[in-house]
Amino acid sequence: AQTVTQSQPEMSVQEAETVTLSCTYDTSENNYYLFWYKQPPSRQMILVIRQEAYKQQNATENRFSVNFQKAAKSFSLKISDSQLGDTAMYFCAFSQGNTPLVFGKGTRLSVIA
Amino acid sequence: DADVTQTPRNRITKTGKRIMLECSQTKGHDRMYWYRQDPGLGLRLIYYSFDVKDINKGEISDGYSVSRQAQAKFSLSLESAIPNQTALYFCATSGPSGGSQYFGPGTRLTVL
Repeated sequence: AQTVTQSQPEMSVQEAETVTLSCTYDTSENNYYLFWYKQPPSRQMILVIRQEAYKQQNATENRFSVNFQKAAKSFSLKISDSQLGDTAMYFCAFSQGNTPLVFGKGTRLSVIA
Repeated sequence: DADVTQTPRNRITKTGKRIMLECSQTKGHDRMYWYRQDPGLGLRLIYYSFDVKDINKGEISDGYSVSRQAQAKFSLSLESAIPNQTALYFCATSGPSGGSQYFGPGTRLTVL
């Protein structure tokens, strides 16, 4: 079974600084999909970014980018120019495509003014 | 209007009661999911459905049942609620293979 590990339960960053959240996963498949979701205090789950494993180029969405290392099975999220509104739980998730998402346990990020 | 809606948003019930959580979507997706979120455990899959005639158990299906009434509707039932089913419940939908999942606003359920 696939597993997703987020090794940092909590992190903090100063406003305007850059922070990187770690995620590793375990799979024997070659084709799969990786996601980062954000859950602010409102509890809504919001898709941040999606990466297809067969694409070598790292996905980017505005201030959010990933460092996808397929051989190392690593999928970290970088948040640049952190804003107070980035304070949230962040979940890494994995899917083979025809399977539901498997989530990590989350990293709580606090952005400090 | 929201693409994925859940009712109720909050519910307090007593041990032994039957309760149904409902999910509706206007995204036109075939695939629907129910997850449970507990502090420190992330989201865990309860049931999922890839079309109206397809129902599959997830990681933690014991004590739960589901019904896919239509492409747009997927309900979760607790036949006899117990306190350790107190949690935040999410419905989600997705398109074809590899598609992103889109979540409803969640239902906070408390079982006393």
